[in-house]
Amino acid sequence: DAGVIQSPRHEVTEMGQEVTLRCKPISGHDYLFWYRQTMMRGLELLIYFNNNVPIDDSGMPEDRFSAKMPNASFSTLKIQPSEPRDSAVYFCASSIAGGGYNEQFFGPGTRLTVL
Amino acid sequence: AQSVTQLDSQVPVFEEAPVELRCNYSSSVSVYLFWYVQYPNQGLQLLLKYLSGSTLVKGINGFEAEFNKSQTSFHLRKPSVHISDTAEYFCAVSPSGSARQLTFGSGTQLTVLP
Repeated sequence: DAGVIQSPRHEVTEMGQEVTLRCKPISGHDYLFWYRQTMMRGLELLIYFNNNVPIDDSGMPEDRFSAKMPNASFSTLKIQPSEPRDSAVYFCASSIAGGGYNEQFFGPGTRLTVL
Repeated sequence: AQSVTQLDSQVPVFEEAPVELRCNYSSSVSVYLFWYVQYPNQGLQLLLKYLSGSTLVKGINGFEAEFNKSQTSFHLRKPSVHISDTAEYFCAVSPSGSARQLTFGSGTQLTVLP
C-alpha cells in the first residue's frame, strides 16, 4: 500500500496568494483528517471528513481556510489569501470506519512557507 | 474536552541508557491514550496505544508505556535507547469509543547521543 499521499511536499508562496494542498487517503479508508503543526501551537486538528462529508470543522482557523473532499480518493485544503502566520506543516491522515478504535495513518506532510 | 501535557520538551540521553518521556492528561470522560513518533521530515507513526485492559502497553521498537489512572499519566519508557530512536514523540488522547478527535501534546524531542 502506498500510504497517505500528500502534494506538494514543500510550498513557498508570497503573502496574498492562494495555496492548495492535496491529499490522497489510503484506499478503502472513509475518514480523512487535516492537521496543522506549528512550533507555537503544536499539532492541531483542522477538519475531518467521513464518506466525503465534513463532520467537524471547528478547528479551521479562519474563513480563509476551506477544505473539500469531492470523492473518496482526493481532498484539498485551500488557503486564500495566504498570510505569513499560515506557515506550518500540514498533515493529512486517514482511517477506516467501524466501532471503537481505528488507527489514523498520517501522510508525510506539506511544509508551507508564506513570505 | 481533553488536554495533554508533555512535561519535557527536550530529552538528551546517551546510547544504551534508559529513557522515560512523561505525559499527563486531563479529561472528564474515559479516554484512549497514544504515543506517536515523528522522524525528521516524516509523518507521525503510531508507537503504541492504550484502549482498555492491561495498564502496561508494549509497542514497536522496544517501547512500552504504563497507564496510571489515578495520576492521569501515560509515560513512555525504553530500557536501552539507540541512535535511531532520535525523533520527536507525541502523546495523544481521545474520548474512548472513538479515536476520531485526537488531542496531541506539544511533543518531546528525544536526542540519543553516542
